[in-house]
Amino acid sequence: KQEVTQIPAALSVPEGENLVLNCSFTDSAIYNLQWFRQDPGKGLTSLLLIQSSQREQTSGRLNASLDKSSGRSTLYIAASQPGDSATYLCAVRPADSWGKLQFGAGTQVVVTP
Amino acid sequence: DTAVSQTPKYLVTQMGNDKSIKCEQNLGHDTMYWYKQDSKKFLKIMFSYNNKELIINETVPNRFSPKSPDKAHLNLHINSLELGDSAVYFCASSQGEGNTQYFGPGTRLTVL
Repeated sequence: KQEVTQIPAALSVPEGENLVLNCSFTDSAIYNLQWFRQDPGKGLTSLLLIQSSQREQTSGRLNASLDKSSGRSTLYIAASQPGDSATYLCAVRPADSWGKLQFGAGTQVVVTP
Repeated sequence: DTAVSQTPKYLVTQMGNDKSIKCEQNLGHDTMYWYKQDSKKFLKIMFSYNNKELIINETVPNRFSPKSPDKAHLNLHINSLELGDSAVYFCASSQGEGNTQYFGPGTRLTVL
């Protein structure tokens, strides 16, 4: 059974510092991996989706890498801003599970001005 | 121009009641989902529909019954509500399975 872990559970950084968020999964047989952002009391916003054949995806200040063999993905956010404060979730779509995203518990990020 | 909308946003009700949550997406997607986020913030898939057909029913009690009248709508009806049903329920949609999922704002259900 696929398990997704995000460490640390919470992170606080000063504005301008780069953020590094980790996601690990136990089964390397994945279809893709998605990173989401969740603001308090709101729904999830998709940030990046990496297909199993890809090594990384970039969007603006965000870069996500995927190392399937070691069961890891990392989300980098460059030059963090207070507006980046949110909970970041990674979700794995296992290779043999149609439509099922397996979510991690998330990393709560606070960027202080 | 909300992409995925849910009603109501908040729902407070007594144990034993029956309630419904509605979801609509205007993205033209063919796949819709219901997720439950519990008090520990874990998100778990409940149901998935593709072209109005139920594809995933993830060991959810029979008291929960999804209905998809058309590809743009996926409603969730819950019978005989229990305390443990208190959670935030999210609807999501995607174009085809395995693609980026777009989430609604969530419905916070509190059962007293």
